[in-house]
Amino acid sequence: DAKTTQPPSMDCAEGRAANLPCNHSTISGNEYVYWYRQIHSQGPQYIIHGLKNNETNEMASLIITEDRKSSTLILPHATLRDTAVYYCIVRVVQETSGSRLTFGEGTQLTVNP
Amino acid sequence: SAVISQKPSRDICQRGTSLTIQCQVDSQVTMMFWYRQQPGQSLTLIATANQGSEATYESGFVIDKFPISRPNLTFSTLTVSNMSPEDSSIYLCSVTRGARNEQFFGPGTRLTVL
Repeated sequence: DAKTTQPPSMDCAEGRAANLPCNHSTISGNEYVYWYRQIHSQGPQYIIHGLKNNETNEMASLIITEDRKSSTLILPHATLRDTAVYYCIVRVVQETSGSRLTFGEGTQLTVNP
Repeated sequence: SAVISQKPSRDICQRGTSLTIQCQVDSQVTMMFWYRQQPGQSLTLIATANQGSEATYESGFVIDKFPISRPNLTFSTLTVSNMSPEDSSIYLCSVTRGARNEQFFGPGTRLTVL
């Protein structure tokens, strides 16, 4: 799986958009970009994933650059409950055998009142 | 999403003893994984629990230390054997489900070894 690079920490004001960057310059053509978050003392929670098109769901938006070497997770209106460690992971999705996730250090997002 | 439960949620154990952690999923899943998260660190994959066959361990993890069972498609156990304080971690069960093998995590088991 391709390696990812994220800033160790970020701050965001409550109600503002949180933009979390991720570099994955060695990503290969069949690797997806996944985002998970881990709120303190809980298991990681799936947020969103994409291959090359931008994606949006009820939690967040994922913007992937055209060359796919970086991406940005956007939380449009951050709340205090969004304070967590956010992990950007790239992996191949194997239809038959599945594929495990390799976690980096992630970004500690702190949403301030 | 998948509903995953783990037992126990936390435990405090003496060194040299063993603890078995259970993972139960609300429906059949293809893949089950066990992760470890040491204090202040990210998650590390221990092994893939294979139904009906021996688990597949990652580098640095061995069956004698972390025996795993997976008797069916909804249940797995991880045993932490001959524990030492260095085994103090959160142990997480994870499963894949869905057309894109999306991965979901249990709430974790917080283990403290004295």
